[in-house]
Amino acid sequence: DAGVIQSPRHEVTEMGQEVTLRCKPISGHDYLFWYRQTMMRGLELLIYFNNNVPIDDSGMPEDRFSAKMPNASFSTLKIQPSEPRDSAVYFCASSAGQSYGYTFGSGTRLTVV
Amino acid sequence: AQSVTQPDIHITVSEGASLELRCNYSYGATPYLFWYVQSPGQGLQLLLKYFSGDTLVQGIKGFEAEFKRSQSSFNLRKPSVHWSDAAEYFCAVAPTSGTYKYIFGTGTRLKVLA
Repeated sequence: DAGVIQSPRHEVTEMGQEVTLRCKPISGHDYLFWYRQTMMRGLELLIYFNNNVPIDDSGMPEDRFSAKMPNASFSTLKIQPSEPRDSAVYFCASSAGQSYGYTFGSGTRLTVV
Repeated sequence: AQSVTQPDIHITVSEGASLELRCNYSYGATPYLFWYVQSPGQGLQLLLKYFSGDTLVQGIKGFEAEFKRSQSSFNLRKPSVHWSDAAEYFCAVAPTSGTYKYIFGTGTRLKVLA
């Protein structure tokens, strides 16, 4: 298995632009999570899906952020418009269930200038 | 309130020395417990997990952890550290039912001296 695949690995964009981050979870994993990691705030859960349905989006910072999971093998996290404070590493993770733990992707390092 | 505490932000050990990283949690019931490792520029990798049974669990890369219910602790140990173990280590808890949301600790950064 190739693991959780995220793209792009690095993204540099100008303030105000739309940014789309992509994730392919491990086949057969029913849960998908989007996290953000910064030095100041550590790991923050943004949203998670179960069987493609958003279950908890209470961590999404504001309306500029949106996430979708149109099918079991693909999810996107979109920021529109982007701001410099959105600069962070964004991780996608998938899981087969609560006792199994997460498998994380390698992350997308987003820089908004 | 539910929380995970990793009291040591940084730890430095010499290669070949033993290692113990501390993790304490506050939770209503015994949760699932995990340790993850993050190497620079990488995502988090699961080292080991506990959810029932033997309180001493073995993980990958020679790590082990011991669950102590009376102390609400789940400390990570390794008998002999290798230079490649230098990384950041995160303790996490998850509920055994209901909403599947981890609580992560703030991490302990391990430095290994040659």
